[in-house]
Amino acid sequence: GAGVSQSPSNKVTEKGKDVELRCDPISGHTALYWYRQSLGQGLEFLIYFQGNSAPDKSGLPSDRFSAERTGGSVSTLTIQRTQQEDSAVYLCASSFSGGAEGANVLTFGAGSRLTVL
Amino acid sequence: QKEVEQNSGPLSVPEGAIASLNCTYSDRGSQSFFWYRQYSGKSPELIMSIYSNGDKEDGRFTAQLNKASQYVSLLIRDSQPSDSATYLCAVETSGSRLTFGEGTQLTVNP
Repeated sequence: GAGVSQSPSNKVTEKGKDVELRCDPISGHTALYWYRQSLGQGLEFLIYFQGNSAPDKSGLPSDRFSAERTGGSVSTLTIQRTQQEDSAVYLCASSFSGGAEGANVLTFGAGSRLTVL
Repeated sequence: QKEVEQNSGPLSVPEGAIASLNCTYSDRGSQSFFWYRQYSGKSPELIMSIYSNGDKEDGRFTAQLNKASQYVSLLIRDSQPSDSATYLCAVETSGSRLTFGEGTQLTVNP
């Protein structure tokens, strides 16, 4: 696609429910990142995919968080048993990799705003 | 020590002035450095990337990199009210992970 597409744009859920957030990166971009941004805060790294593998999962805050990427394209971030502190904007970004200048320049999606009541 | 640190804001400058935004990083092996701009309620967008020591200019924006001092900065000349936003420094750290600073909020007053 022309840009990074995220869905849903807004999600309100009750504490304890599971949620799935989806990211469709720019076609041809091999790298995909998930970040979390709480109100007024910076970007908190969650996980990074290169192709379908996740060389860096170190940012996932707890075992309630998981992510997968299939076919080197779409990624899903799943939060189980949501808590109020999970409320934030979840941003997905993609880039192409390699040695050429311009590699690793992230293009962000519009984000998924999660509110846990 | 945080991996990427930015000068604390908020920063307020008058229209037409130079705004200076600073960032330091801890990973000596970092090779790629980026400045993103984020308007309130929007996603970050790339302003500048820099990979080599020295200055890189693009219009009113100049990025400066000093790897020996582990320091990267962004200068905005002839600041405009439309430049009012949060500026995020991002550094490619080990394993190709991009780590962001907390951001500096800039306000340009007409």
